[in-house]
Amino acid sequence: EIVMTQSPATLSVSPGERVTLSCRASQSVSSHLAWYQQKPGQAPRLLIYGASTRATGIPARFSGSGSGTEFTLTIGSLQSEDFAVYYCQQYSNWPPWTFGQGTKVEVK
Amino acid sequence: QVEVRETGPGLVKPSETLTLTCIVSGDAIGDHYWSWIRQSAGKGLEWIGQLNVRETTSHNPSLKSRVTMSADRSKNQLSLRLASVTAADSAVYFCAKHWDYDSNWFDSWGPGTLVTVS
Repeated sequence: EIVMTQSPATLSVSPGERVTLSCRASQSVSSHLAWYQQKPGQAPRLLIYGASTRATGIPARFSGSGSGTEFTLTIGSLQSEDFAVYYCQQYSNWPPWTFGQGTKVEVK
Repeated sequence: QVEVRETGPGLVKPSETLTLTCIVSGDAIGDHYWSWIRQSAGKGLEWIGQLNVRETTSHNPSLKSRVTMSADRSKNQLSLRLASVTAADSAVYFCAKHWDYDSNWFDSWGPGTLVTVS
């Protein structure tokens, strides 16, 4: 099973700041990585797939990069609606598909 | 635009079998791959298993053989059965659509249904 590790667990930021979240895979997943955003009481929402392709309707301030074992999700200028928990997911090797433990982006 | 909704009993007794339903509208379930995913405070997001267009299933080895998944194309619904539940199976259970065949990220999710084992 591929283990996905996200860091940091919590990030305290102010609106307008640039945010960088990290996700590391225990073995190479090539570019088979997705990012999701989850707000309290809601289902995860797809942001990025293929490590760097934005899903339909996702604002350009969200960008993904990386390949192999190291990945980054960047939010260019944090908006109030971006405070949430962010998860990465690998879809390279299965079963199972695996998720990271999440990074919570909270108001500073 | 596909819409997904999970339904379930809310409360299940230990050792019993949990049965959940995923109701899909706006698209035919037979045209896609579907997964069940759960989320508990202790384990984050955990992939349970998936069912494909040929109704072949695969599940998380950690759940051993407790998982059964099926589809009812006439009702456009999917179901998940999890046998011999314990408190560790308490979680919010999601049904999610895969982007496409062999594209195993999840682009449409239901709101989830909370299951408590007690």
